[in-house]
Amino acid sequence: DAMVIQNPRYQVTQFGKPVTLSCSQTLNHNVMYWYQQKSSQAPKLLFHYYDKDFNNEADTPDNFQSRRPNTSFCFLDIRSPGLGDAAMYLCATSRVDGRRKQETQYFGPGTRLLVL
Amino acid sequence: GESVGLHLPTLSVQEGDNSIINCAYSNSASDYFIWYKQESGKGPQFIIDIRSNMDKRQGQRVTVLLNKTVKHLSLQIAATQPGDSAVYFCAENRVRGSYIPTFGRGTSLIVHP
Repeated sequence: DAMVIQNPRYQVTQFGKPVTLSCSQTLNHNVMYWYQQKSSQAPKLLFHYYDKDFNNEADTPDNFQSRRPNTSFCFLDIRSPGLGDAAMYLCATSRVDGRRKQETQYFGPGTRLLVL
Repeated sequence: GESVGLHLPTLSVQEGDNSIINCAYSNSASDYFIWYKQESGKGPQFIIDIRSNMDKRQGQRVTVLLNKTVKHLSLQIAATQPGDSAVYFCAENRVRGSYIPTFGRGTSLIVHP
């Protein structure tokens, strides 16, 4: 089945140690999103790629970076994780046409990050 | 600023009852609304959507109602089952010109057997 896959599902890292979370999709969607979700809160958009164009949210810390080497894969890099970065990280995809008309957004299962 | 919010953070119902989850939005330019279900430890899952040219849309056991006059959205779940226990988010967007949905706070639905 076409889907959004996130690996790993659980990631433990040490304070200050760089970590990379990965997302892949078989939907061939042109837009990929990264969200941070803390307990009992709504997902918070960090950034997204529209095709190869990177779009950062104004309040996303510089500590968070992203790479999209091809249509199918997108990575979230946290350069120096702090205790406050412990959260669920969700990847999502959608198909958006040239008129910015969006179809349904599909989410992956998320990666839960624990910072020790 | 403009935002999407939910009135009730937690809703407890008995199995078999109907559930109603409410959502208020304030961006009058929004014309596309989505409900997501998020089970514990999983990503949000699309349930149903509605565009502003409609005031009601039905799916399997779910109905979304849109009242543009008061900027209110609701999700009705018929014959609620234990498997419906989850956090429900509404999100607002625009059919054209924006592809970044704005999520509301979320309501936790607890279904008691």
